[in-house]
Amino acid sequence: RKEVEQDPGPFNVPEGATVAFNCTYSNSASQSFFWYRQDCRKEPKLLMSVYSSGNEDGRFTAQLNRASQYISLLIRDSKLSDSATYLCVVNGRDAGNMLTFGGGTRLMVKP
Amino acid sequence: DTAVSQTPKYLVTQMGNDKSIKCEQNLGHDTMYWYKQDSKKFLKIMFSYNNKELIINETVPNRFSPKSPDKAHLNLHINSLELGDSAVYFCASSLFFTTAGELFFGEGSRLTVL
Repeated sequence: RKEVEQDPGPFNVPEGATVAFNCTYSNSASQSFFWYRQDCRKEPKLLMSVYSSGNEDGRFTAQLNRASQYISLLIRDSKLSDSATYLCVVNGRDAGNMLTFGGGTRLMVKP
Repeated sequence: DTAVSQTPKYLVTQMGNDKSIKCEQNLGHDTMYWYKQDSKKFLKIMFSYNNKELIINETVPNRFSPKSPDKAHLNLHINSLELGDSAVYFCASSLFFTTAGELFFGEGSRLTVL
């Protein structure tokens, strides 16, 4: 089982739609969780951290479910500019407990 | 001002050649990393340096040798390039060595081995 697993997509949604991605992680001892965004042929950039109590940043909501070992990202009122790959990141067993990246979920928002 | 800059952005070379990628960060961070992103888009850590000292060395062939002359620079030298080395190599930095901090990435260096 991979350390961090995501549905690669693509998720094709119309503008204004609400879309949600899940990500599962295997290390129950993980403490830090993030969502990064990567545009095509660009570098990843931090979108938001994920806190135990859940957190919201504008149209984006992140949640953590420790019991089931998954995190989620909800995007409301999708914009064309939200089209990107969303990477789930967890501190994991590999690499001395460093951050481990999922393979990403690709989102395409259509007009 | 670019926070994490790496050069060159593109490298096309023949199998068996040796190449280097340079990385510099002007954020005053203590820790720098090299990540490899393959064609399936998985980002895997290769090396991490904290204040010029190697702290993470993942299962990477000996042909890859990082060098950190100071904490603002982390270069990657690759000997005897192979087809499987084709990927995008990202340099990154973080404020200190941590499992909880934000990573700042460079724009990537796309290596194609023919």
